[in-house]
Amino acid sequence: KNQVEQSPQSLIILEGKNCTLQCNYTVSPFSNLRWYKQDTGRGPVSLTIMTFSENTKSNGRYTATLDADTKQSSLHITASQLSDSASYICVVNPGGGADGLTFGKGTHLIIQP
Amino acid sequence: DAGVIQSPRHEVTEMGQEVTLRCKPISGHDYLFWYRQTMMRGLELLIYFNNNVPIDDSGMPEDRFSAKMPNASFSTLKIQPSEPRDSAVYFCASSLDSRMNTEAFFGQGTRLTVV
Repeated sequence: KNQVEQSPQSLIILEGKNCTLQCNYTVSPFSNLRWYKQDTGRGPVSLTIMTFSENTKSNGRYTATLDADTKQSSLHITASQLSDSASYICVVNPGGGADGLTFGKGTHLIIQP
Repeated sequence: DAGVIQSPRHEVTEMGQEVTLRCKPISGHDYLFWYRQTMMRGLELLIYFNNNVPIDDSGMPEDRFSAKMPNASFSTLKIQPSEPRDSAVYFCASSLDSRMNTEAFFGQGTRLTVV
């Protein structure tokens, strides 16, 4: 069964610190992996998308990595800001229709001043 | 474009009542998706449409749920009768297509509480 597991479930860090969120998946075949940021009370917004051949992709202070061999991805946040407080959702696409997308349950990140 | 617009933002209803959620996708997007989000299960795809035609409704939990897309700019998700376990945040999303690298843009969601 296709699954996406994210860790930790929740994380609290101080403003200015770095953190790394993990995503492990068993989805097969694999087309791409996307990280979404979901602010409280809002819909998810895409941060990055990575295909099979990409190892690293950055979007400002967000850097995503992908190891397709071990089926692991991480999202690294550098110099965290209060506005980074949100849920971060990992979504894996096997390459078919939208019904094949597999969502992780997310990591809830809280940045404290 | 204002993005995907959902209404209402919040809905509180009594068990057994009919609930209708509304969505206006981004103009020009051919795909429209309805998702449900709960703490326990995360985001789940309920149904999606391509050019107003339902493509896959296997995620619709029960016959109490129905969705329509009468035209390219409007879709509804209806629950009749509603039950407390339907309480969740329901998201509508739209995209240019459903495959590969195309991003789906989400609305702000409707928080449904059934008491």
